Amino acid sequence: SQQGEEDPQALSIQEGENATMNCSYKTSINNLQWYRQNSGRGLVHLILIRSNEREKHSGRLRVTLDTSKKSSSLLITASRAADTASYFCAETSGSRLTFGEGTQLTVNP
Amino acid sequence: EPEVTQTPSHQVTQMGQEVILRCVPISNHLYFYWYRQILGQKVEFLVSFYNNEISEKSEIFDDQFSVERPDGSNFTLKIRSTKLEDSAMYFCASSEILRGHNEQFFGPGTRLTVL
Repeated sequence: SQQGEEDPQALSIQEGENATMNCSYKTSINNLQWYRQNSGRGLVHLILIRSNEREKHSGRLRVTLDTSKKSSSLLITASRAADTASYFCAETSGSRLTFGEGTQLTVNP
Repeated sequence: EPEVTQTPSHQVTQMGQEVILRCVPISNHLYFYWYRQILGQKVEFLVSFYNNEISEKSEIFDDQFSVERPDGSNFTLKIRSTKLEDSAMYFCASSEILRGHNEQFFGPGTRLTVL
């Protein structure tokens, strides 16, 4: 199966609700990163969590990492319509990032 | 805030032609990367570059591809003889290695269409 698989593949919520996206990975990572991509645009770095960290916060974002399960989750609290985008986790191994398939998040106003 | 820039934003070419995609990484960054994203698929690593040489490349990065840092600011990806399947978004990224972190900052991409 593919590395960096996110679930769900698509998520639709109402503005103000929380959105949780999960990611599983296969390799031993140096760190794991989350990116956002608006339709047809470039990737925006959101947050990096190192392999020895379990949780990290940045504004409305909360990322957790469970290295025993090789999984990570991204929580966006109090979502806004502007959060509508695709969200990807990316494993860092060596110099490369290996991206997952992504979760398409739609936040309805 | 410093950002990675890429030109052109859209490139249309005929199969078999050579294309050069250009990137200006963030000025104090030391590592440079190219990724591509075929429409509807995930982002794939092509190559990383440090100290004027390739650090790592994927199986996609075959002899048709080459990278160069021709001066102190530009970083280019050349595709020697384009194929239809090279049609994709190509993203440049750069990073400043710090204590093992590898936070990569991406440009807006170049959409390559091979006809």
